[in-house]
Amino acid sequence: DAKTTQPPSMDCAEGRAANLPCNHSTISGNEYVYWYRQIHSQGPQYIIHGLKNNETNEMASLIITEDRKSSTLILPHATLRDTAVYYCIVPTDSWGKFQFGAGTQVVVTP
Amino acid sequence: DAGITQSPRYKITETGRQVTLMCHQTWSHSYMFWYRQDLGHGLRLIYYSAAADITDKGEVPDGYVVSRSKTENFPLTLESATRSQTSVYFCASSELDRGPTEAFFGQGTRLTVV
Repeated sequence: DAKTTQPPSMDCAEGRAANLPCNHSTISGNEYVYWYRQIHSQGPQYIIHGLKNNETNEMASLIITEDRKSSTLILPHATLRDTAVYYCIVPTDSWGKFQFGAGTQVVVTP
Repeated sequence: DAGITQSPRYKITETGRQVTLMCHQTWSHSYMFWYRQDLGHGLRLIYYSAAADITDKGEVPDGYVVSRSKTENFPLTLESATRSQTSVYFCASSELDRGPTEAFFGQGTRLTVV
């Protein structure tokens, strides 16, 4: 697997944008970047994925650098319900054999 | 109800007993996965299946057995439970035949081996 590196934790004020960085310097040209989150005690929830172009959906935006060695997940207007562990994953292949690291614990405060 | 469901949600069993965790999905997704999550750790892949009757090992398969006789079901069996298998188990499914896409996770089964 392409190894990913994320900060262990970050705080964000409610209503502000949360920018979550991820380094994946060994990523291969055909490997996708996925983001999932896990709210306490629940199953992981898919957020977004991308290859090289920036992606946006109703939950978040994914910005991937031109060299693909890092990416940023943007939660545009964080709410208290966005408090969760966020995982940046680069699976070995399209079979989705995800290796979940420690992720980033995001705490959104009022 | 459409979705992916795991049963039971909570299970306490004794060391040495056999226990089966069930996973059922209603989307007819070809791929299914079993992960375990230990306190303070990320999820680790136990087994996965690309289709009915096709299964393969993940990162931590020892002590577990899976089967996939029907597309919608993917049971995970602990043949002789050990305390080290106390964990939260998550099942997931995905339609990866069409290319990289999202996986849907169940709500988890919290297993305690005493």
